[in-house]
Amino acid sequence: GQNIDQPTEMTATEGAIVQINCTYQTSGFNGLFWYQQHAGEAPTFLSYNVLDGLEEKGRFSSFLSRSKGYSYLLLKELQMKDSASYLCAVTDSNYQLIWGAGTKLIIKP
Amino acid sequence: ETGVTQTPRHLVMGMTNKKSLKCEQHLGHNAMYWYKQSAKKPLELMFVYSLEERVENNSVPSRFSPECPNSSHLFLHLHTLQPEDSALYLCASSQDDTTVWVGYTFGSGTRLTVV
Repeated sequence: GQNIDQPTEMTATEGAIVQINCTYQTSGFNGLFWYQQHAGEAPTFLSYNVLDGLEEKGRFSSFLSRSKGYSYLLLKELQMKDSASYLCAVTDSNYQLIWGAGTKLIIKP
Repeated sequence: ETGVTQTPRHLVMGMTNKKSLKCEQHLGHNAMYWYKQSAKKPLELMFVYSLEERVENNSVPSRFSPECPNSSHLFLHLHTLQPEDSALYLCASSQDDTTVWVGYTFGSGTRLTVV
């Protein structure tokens, strides 16, 4: 079966760095997404990786290793507004999105 | 404003009621989706419409009935729901159902409670 694993919850301190991991097992691979979802709001697109390596976008970076079925989202200089759920999703060979359950990130002052 | 608008934001309904959820997008997207989001579970794809035709129905019970009258509007008609159907229902749109690298645009969802 197809599966996406990510930690249920993480806690970090304002100003610090946090890495949220995602491992996947899917039928084929056409890219991996990270979305951010604040409580009660719409998920919003953060990043898309289809090739191995690190993609940097301001304070957020996303890494992909296709051979290991592994990705991480790196958040630097954490701010209180980064408290949210982070969703990992993989596009399979049929272009269907397979979603993880999300990681709830709690930022403490 | 996300570009995808869902109404209502909150809905409480009895198991014998009939209600409808509405989704509207004016992004020029050709594909629209209904997802169910339950606490601590992955997003569950319910229906996919591409150019107003249903292309995916993920074994969703018949008490959920989608309708896509045009490429800008999507409805989810609900009847005789069960308490386990209580969840956040998210609508999303994308350029089309295979150009996924630009991501989906989601609405803020309808929080449904079945009593």
